[in-house]
Amino acid sequence: AQTVTQSQPEMSVQEAETVTLSCTYDTSESNYYLFWYKQPPSRQMILVIRQEAYKQQNATENRFSVNFQKAAKSFSLKISDSQLGDTAMYFCAFSRKTSYDKVIFGPGTSLSVIP
Amino acid sequence: DTGVSQDPRHKITKRGQNVTFRCDPISEHNRLYWYRQTLGQGPEFLTYFQNEAQLEKSRLLSDRFSAERPKGSFSTLEIQRTEQGDSAMYLCASSLGLNSSTDTQYFGPGTRLTVL
Repeated sequence: AQTVTQSQPEMSVQEAETVTLSCTYDTSESNYYLFWYKQPPSRQMILVIRQEAYKQQNATENRFSVNFQKAAKSFSLKISDSQLGDTAMYFCAFSRKTSYDKVIFGPGTSLSVIP
Repeated sequence: DTGVSQDPRHKITKRGQNVTFRCDPISEHNRLYWYRQTLGQGPEFLTYFQNEAQLEKSRLLSDRFSAERPKGSFSTLEIQRTEQGDSAMYLCASSLGLNSSTDTQYFGPGTRLTVL
């Protein structure tokens, strides 16, 4: 069975600063996908960034980037130049494939961006 | 494109009553997923459909739960004889269902169920 762990229940960061959210996972699969989802207060969950396990290069999306360490089964999210709109729950997630398989979510990290 | 919609947004019911939720996916999306999210936790997979076929059900989906997608478009999730432990946010997601690494699950706003 696959599991996703996020050891930081809550974090805060000053506006314009950089913050890193941690995630570890466990799987026996060799080919899989990892995701970071964002769930703002009372709003819909949206995909922030995805990483394909067989790709060595870390994914980036504008101010968001990941540090994917396959051997260590670690997948952290770095948010640069934090903005007030980044305040949200962030979920690390795993899928054996992409959308045609269920997504397994971690417990989440609540991020607050402080003005 | 109006995104994934869910109805109702909130439902309060008494223990033992039946409830039904509806999800309208993004048009032309072949796959539809149901998740349950309890307070302070990440969503947990319940079931998913490829068009009208229900392809997988989680063991979380007891026999009191049933989901349908009769014409491969909208889906309903029914909970019979609700229990207080059923209180949660029920999330629906849809995707094109392509065998592609770029396919994405889009989530709806959820239905928050409170069982008294």
